[in-house]
Formats: sequence, structure tokens, C-alpha cells
Amino acid sequence: DAGITQSPRHKVTETGTPVTLRCHQTENHRYMYWYRQDPGHGLRLIHYSYGVKDTDKGEVSDGYSVSRSKTEDFLLTLESATSSQTSVYFCATSRNYNEQFFGPGTRLTVL
Amino acid sequence: KNEVEQSPQNLTAQEGEFITINCSYSVGISALHWLQQHPGGGIVSLFMLSSGKKKHGRLIATINIQEKHSSLHITASHPRDSAVYICAVRSSGETSGSRLTFGEGTQLTVNP
Repeated sequence: DAGITQSPRHKVTETGTPVTLRCHQTENHRYMYWYRQDPGHGLRLIHYSYGVKDTDKGEVSDGYSVSRSKTEDFLLTLESATSSQTSVYFCATSRNYNEQFFGPGTRLTVL
Repeated sequence: KNEVEQSPQNLTAQEGEFITINCSYSVGISALHWLQQHPGGGIVSLFMLSSGKKKHGRLIATINIQEKHSSLHITASHPRDSAVYICAVRSSGETSGSRLTFGEGTQLTVNP
């Protein structure tokens, strides 16, 4: 398995507070992705990165920002969390156009 | 209508049964992935295919590009196969990494 960790694994926060989720990989993969998973929806792409400082929006990017200052780290920030952002967040990486490797997920609850 | 549709949404089988999960998509693709999400939440990639058929142990994945359809088969199913199986596609117009569009998943339960 690719070495992908996410932190924190669980978080409960209040509406309006900022939240940052971290994804860390040890595989030197070029591409990194942030997804959210909600009942009734498949995994949906929030943002992705194709290299250090190179990021782009996915299909559900409103309310989220990302940063990638190092190959190994990809941060997802909710500037002002809302209850609609309660979800399970997965980070994934890929070396190229092939398979993606997923982190263990972060369960975020916004009260 | 979602770009990726899976059927059935839920499937219950008895141990030993042959299982088929279907995936249909509406866009031109360059690759299709099958993933497994364990009850604990972890997601692993099972197959990536762009044509024909692939086999790994008791799992077989097939794709028909002309019909925009893929199937995942499990032979001699076992309770440990109980999981959510997810189909995902990379559109043929995708040029940035491996952006995928996912189906909602099929919940498989195999009873002993």
C-alpha cells in the first residue's frame, strides 16, 4: 500500500470555524486529490493537485481551498465550516494516469 | 442522470454464489476502475481496465467500450467479500492527472 495518512481522523467543530485537514504521502506521487463521500452520492472531487503549487478545482470546490507546498503534503481548508460540509473526506494519490491510492479518511462533523 | 450508474444498489448473496455487479457510463472514457470499500471505510483499487477482461483471484472485471458497460464478477463468494464496490471512470477528455467520476457504489453482503 502507498503510505498515505490523513489527520485528524475524526473532528467535530462548530459552524463558522476554520478547519484544515492534512494528507501526507511517502510515495512521491505527483497527483493528489481530495474527495468527499456522502450518502446518496459517489465520491466527489473537491480539489486536486498535479504538482507542487499546482492545484485545480473539482466538481464541489465551493467553500474549500487547498495548498501544496511540498510533494508529500496536500492540505484542505474549510475557511468557515458549514453543516453541509459534514462528510467523510478522503485523500488519494496517483503516480500518473493509473490507479489511485486512498488514505483512511477523515470524518468531519460540523455542528 | 449520473454519468456513472451502478446496479444493483444493494445485493445480498449466500456464500458460494456467483455475483455480478454492473456499471454503465454515458461519456467516452479512457479507463474504468473498480474499487472496494471495506466496512471500516478503507478504499482499495481492484482493477483498472480500458478494454477486454482482467482477473485477480476470484474477481473478474470486464468492459465493453462500445456498449459503455462494465461488470465485476465474484466467483465462489465469501462473507469476507462483503463490502461496497465502486465503479469509476476517467473520461477520454481528461488531461490533468487521473480525475475520476464515481458511481454511488453497490453494497454487497454475503451471508454464511
